[in-house]
Amino acid sequence: SQQGEEDPQALSIQEGENATMNCSYKTSINNLQWYRQNSGRGLVHLILIRSNEREKHSGRLRVTLDTSKKSSSLLITASRAADTASYFCATPPYSSASKIIFGSGTRLSIRP
Amino acid sequence: EPEVTQTPSHQVTQMGQEVILRCVPISNHLYFYWYRQILGQKVEFLVSFYNNEISEKSEIFDDQFSVERPDGSNFTLKIRSTKLEDSAMYFCASTDRSEQPQHFGDGTRLSIL
Repeated sequence: SQQGEEDPQALSIQEGENATMNCSYKTSINNLQWYRQNSGRGLVHLILIRSNEREKHSGRLRVTLDTSKKSSSLLITASRAADTASYFCATPPYSSASKIIFGSGTRLSIRP
Repeated sequence: EPEVTQTPSHQVTQMGQEVILRCVPISNHLYFYWYRQILGQKVEFLVSFYNNEISEKSEIFDDQFSVERPDGSNFTLKIRSTKLEDSAMYFCASTDRSEQPQHFGDGTRLSIL
């Protein structure tokens, strides 16, 4: 199945440090998206990277995509307490323009 | 910034009862979705809706489930006869174009007793 699987499952770092989360997927994609979910809230879209892009930046976020390895990474630089959340990669299947498949997520905790 | 709103935030229902979860998508969006997240598990796709009909549904979305866009603003998910295993967070999402980022509501926590 076309699922993103994040690693690590949980990550705890000191405020100000950088956080890196990885995602692997199984089949070809048109794009890969990263979402954040604060506890008890809905998912918030962070960034979308297309299959013909290798790297994309948005503020303190940097996303890379390696289609040959079917993997992506999300880097959050200079982490803040407010970055504490779960982060999910999500892939729309080629076979469907109607849905996105979420991975299990990385639970990120920022220690003050 | 426009947002997707969902009501109620928490619904407690007896097993076997019908429940309707309500969503108001972003006004100019055309594609609507329902997802669910069982506690501690992944966000799972249930159904997508476009042009007043279901575009795609998952195996979870069986005959007990239905969706409706009764007017120009609301998008509802109905569970006809709830089961204990329907307890989950249900998220509504919308987007203006397919394959674009989806905008999510804060969800309805459904608890089946």
